[in-house]
Order: sequence, then C-alpha cells, then structure tokens
Amino acid sequence: GQQVMQIPQYQHVQEGEDFTTYCNSSTTLSNIQWYKQRPGGHPVFLIQLVKSGEVKKQKRLTFQFGEAKKNSSLHITATQTTDVGTYFCAGPGSGGSNYKLTFGKGTLLTVNP
Amino acid sequence: GAVVSQHPSWVICKSGTSVKIECRSLDFQATTMFWYRQFPKQSLMLMATSNEGSKATYEQGVEKDKFLINHASLTLSTLTVTSAHPEDSSFYICSAREITGGMDSPLHFGNGTRLTVT
Repeated sequence: GQQVMQIPQYQHVQEGEDFTTYCNSSTTLSNIQWYKQRPGGHPVFLIQLVKSGEVKKQKRLTFQFGEAKKNSSLHITATQTTDVGTYFCAGPGSGGSNYKLTFGKGTLLTVNP
Repeated sequence: GAVVSQHPSWVICKSGTSVKIECRSLDFQATTMFWYRQFPKQSLMLMATSNEGSKATYEQGVEKDKFLINHASLTLSTLTVTSAHPEDSSFYICSAREITGGMDSPLHFGNGTRLTVT
C-alpha cells in the first residue's frame, strides 16, 4: 500500500539555524499536505501542494513538491522557539483509498534558544 | 475557521470498563470523519473511517467490536472503546473533512483524548 517516508525523525537546532524535513512516497501523489503538531497538541494543517514542482512560502517556511510528485520538503529559515513541534507530511491513499491520508512518521524539531 | 471539538480531553478508567469519545464539527458538516491513534513520539495511525449514516471502515488489525464507531449525524461521530485494557491507553484523535471540500481537502483535527486505563 501507500507509504510515506519522512526524514529525519528528530532534528535539534540552535535558534536562528535553518531546518529541513524531507518526505518521499513510493507512488506518485495527487497532492501532499503538511501538518504541524505542537507538543501536547493536535495536528494543524499548514499547506497543500498539488502541482508538479510547486513551491509555496509561508513567512519563514518554504514548501516544495517534486517534479515527479513523489517527494516534498519543508524548509524553515532562521528557526525560532515557536517552531518547536512535530512536522508531518501526508499523502492520499492509492486507488479506492484515496480519500484517506497516510501520514509520515514526522520530524520532531527542537530549538535551543 | 473549521473547528472540531473532541471530548473528553482526557479520561482515566478502570480495566474492563467502556469509554466513549465524541467528535463534533462545530461550524461545518462532515460526511466523513477519521479516527487516529497516536503513541508517544510516534505518527498518527488511522484506525477507522467514520461515514455518516453507514458502517465505519476499519483499518487492518483494528478490532471493530472493540472500537465501536457511530456517525450519527453530519456533525457528530463517536468512538467507544469497549472493555478497555491498559494496552488501549493512548492518545486518540479525530479529524473531519468539510462536506464541501473534495477528497483531497485538508483534515481538521480535534484536540485529542488521552485515555489511561488502570
């Protein structure tokens, strides 16, 4: 079935450093979504990428969707302590399961002030 | 924005008892809601898809007789953990997709329920 691999599992940075998490799928995705979960909280939708090669920005966050629509990345420039949390990518299931979302394992970001 | 309310936020119960968790979409309708389970520092594992007016679809390995799901209306789904045991202790999160959105539209998550079975 559909698998979404995400690396790294953990990332610790000094405040002000950049951060990137990568997501890879075994199959072509119609779209990919990114979510953020703060410690003790619930996942919150960040963005959805649909087009091949798409790049979207939200302030210090840059999201990319690969040309083959099999991989994606989230890059944070100059991290702040408010960026702490787990970042998940998620892609739709394949075939008749395309209404479901399969989540990557997530990348836990910690920021040292 | 779309808000999903999940209740209770946390519950402690004794082994053998049942616990009901409610998930409500407050300002939108959802024909489909999803129930996830999350272990500490791990990803979201889909348990089942709750469909309004029909039976839930369970993921492989999830016992439907243990995790009863009822989607009574377009704004309410409930998950009942029956005869709970300590291994059922976990963080349960529901999510909903707006009825007006397509199958690819984002999910709105509830705050989650932390279940502890003693």
